Amino acid sequence: DIVMTQSPDSLPVSLGERATINCKSSQSVLHSSNNKNYLAWYQQKPGQPPKLLIYWASTRESGVPDRFSGSGSGTDFTLTISSLQAEDVAVYYCQQYFSTPHTFGQGTKLDIK
Amino acid sequence: EVQLVESGGGLVKPGGSLRLSCAGSGFSFSSYTMNWVRQAPGKGLEWVSSISSSSTYIYYTDSVKGRFTISRDNAQNSLYLQMNSLRAEDTAVYYCARVRGGGSYDAFDIWGQGTMVTVSS
Repeated sequence: DIVMTQSPDSLPVSLGERATINCKSSQSVLHSSNNKNYLAWYQQKPGQPPKLLIYWASTRESGVPDRFSGSGSGTDFTLTISSLQAEDVAVYYCQQYFSTPHTFGQGTKLDIK
Repeated sequence: EVQLVESGGGLVKPGGSLRLSCAGSGFSFSSYTMNWVRQAPGKGLEWVSSISSSSTYIYYTDSVKGRFTISRDNAQNSLYLQMNSLRAEDTAVYYCARVRGGGSYDAFDIWGQGTMVTVSS
């Protein structure tokens, strides 16, 4: 199984500041056949289901604000929120869909400093 | 509106059974791979199972193999999870989720609101 490890577990950030969440996979999720990274990012607010933010490591889902961006390749990935808004307070998860089981990271709780 | 609605959760004793359902609407249900993902109280997300559009490919996480069965009825736009021999550690909110793009290996773009399963004596 591919193990996904996020850092940090908790991240306090001031409003308007940049937030950076890291995700590391235990093996590469870059598929050689199409040069795509099988990595997604989700946002989950209390009492709500997860919401897809980013797929293929860096493609923003329709309707997601452009302050959210994803980067990285192979085994190391980053979700960046360029200017934190109050509504961004949530838990963020990375997930690999390269192979089953489609494992998630443990989550990073983002809140306001 | 594209939507997934789960049902069937509840309180069950250890060793008991439960069948979850997920109704899809607003999209061509039969064209999409579907998944079950669970979240124990206060914990993170755990992928449970997936089923391809025509039920050809089915996968489970190791902890539920032999106890849970995923199935679908495309004529009814419905996804199911039959859960047998339930354990306390199966207690969680169970979400159904759609794989985007019609493929089998892609992100999960549509999620239901979830149904709570509690296994306790």
